[in-house]
Amino acid sequence: EPEVTQTPSHQVTQMGQEVILRCVPISNHLYFYWYRQILGQKVEFLVSFYNNEISEKSEIFDDQFSVERPDGSNFTLKIRSTKLEDSAMYFCASRGYMNTEAFFGQGTRLTVV
Amino acid sequence: AQSVTQPDIHITVSEGASLELRCNYSYGATPYLFWYVQSPGQGLQLLLKYFSGDTLVQGIKGFEAEFKRSQSSFNLRKPSVHWSDAAEYFCAVAPKAAGNKLTFGGGTRVLVKP
Repeated sequence: EPEVTQTPSHQVTQMGQEVILRCVPISNHLYFYWYRQILGQKVEFLVSFYNNEISEKSEIFDDQFSVERPDGSNFTLKIRSTKLEDSAMYFCASRGYMNTEAFFGQGTRLTVV
Repeated sequence: AQSVTQPDIHITVSEGASLELRCNYSYGATPYLFWYVQSPGQGLQLLLKYFSGDTLVQGIKGFEAEFKRSQSSFNLRKPSVHWSDAAEYFCAVAPKAAGNKLTFGGGTRVLVKP
């Protein structure tokens, strides 16, 4: 069964450092998403991406964040200068054009120290 | 703005007993409705979804959910829980439109007693 794959599963970084979280969506999917879940809180939408551009972003997704699909298979989330409050589980999801449900990856736990 | 409320933060249930998790949403029009489960250390797995039609939907692992338009609710049920059902359960909604980002409820953590 096809699945969304995220790497790494856990990343520890120092405050102020740049991190890149990687995702390989399901191959024939067209819509891509990043969500995050701060420990003990609800899952929050960050950004959606379609046709090689951001289609929607939340107020959380400020200038420190960026996404790209560099090679047609990977979908990355970059945080330019991490803050302590960026510590969270980050989930990638993808959706096909005809499907209406999103499939999620296992998540990357980001710890900023 | 759309919102999803799961009134129960924690529920403890005995193995073999029935389970019902509540979900209410606030939305302009009937959205797509979903239940996801997150086992410890795992990602989000789709249990079931409602798009239209029959208001009682069946999902994986023996779960079902009922959409009630008049109550803006989409409650999840299982007749007999198993120890492996211990997890966190999230209700989510998405607009019936391209892009349809998910808005999640706060989650309900289910503990199963032997």
